[in-house]
Amino acid sequence: SQQGEEDPQALSIQEGENATMNCSYKTSINNLQWYRQNSGRGLVHLILIRSNEREKHSGRLRVTLDTSKKSSSLLITASRAADTASYFCALRGSNYKLTFGKGTLLTVNP
Amino acid sequence: DAGITQSPRHKVTETGTPVTLRCHQTENHRYMYWYRQDPGHGLRLIHYSYGVKDTDKGEVSDGYSVSRSKTEDFLLTLESATSSQTSVYFCAISEWTGINYGYTFGSGTRLTVV
Repeated sequence: SQQGEEDPQALSIQEGENATMNCSYKTSINNLQWYRQNSGRGLVHLILIRSNEREKHSGRLRVTLDTSKKSSSLLITASRAADTASYFCALRGSNYKLTFGKGTLLTVNP
Repeated sequence: DAGITQSPRHKVTETGTPVTLRCHQTENHRYMYWYRQDPGHGLRLIHYSYGVKDTDKGEVSDGYSVSRSKTEDFLLTLESATSSQTSVYFCAISEWTGINYGYTFGSGTRLTVV
């Protein structure tokens, strides 16, 4: 299976702290993407990193990819209460399927 | 945004009845997907389409069929609904951003099978 696996399953931090979530996978990928889902809502695309990239930034988000270890991390700096959501990594392989992990539930306490 | 809408937003149906969910997009994107989301499982791919009349199975396709007779519409049918198909269903489209394929999701359909 191409499914990614996020770690930890749940994370609780204080506002202003950094949050780090990890994603591990087992197969080769074309790219890896991170999504956010607020409770009861659809998924929102956050950032995409290609297999030949090692790091990308977008605002307070920083994503790294280590293809030798088949792992990625998502760092959210200076977290806010509004960052409370579930975060998913998604893998795209050589076909056009996008497969998701089970997610990390992030709670940012004010 | 790609202008993707799902209908209905909520539905309650009885076991054994057929149910069709609709995904509509307004921008002529080639790739469309149906996922289901359940607690403890994340999102799982049911079926996807790479063009009119071109579809393929995902990881949890049993009990589901799809049709794509027009570019803008991708229909998901539960042939005979079961309680295990109670879930939130998401449609997604894939669009070329110039660098990569980006994905946009609909708002979801909450289906309850009683």
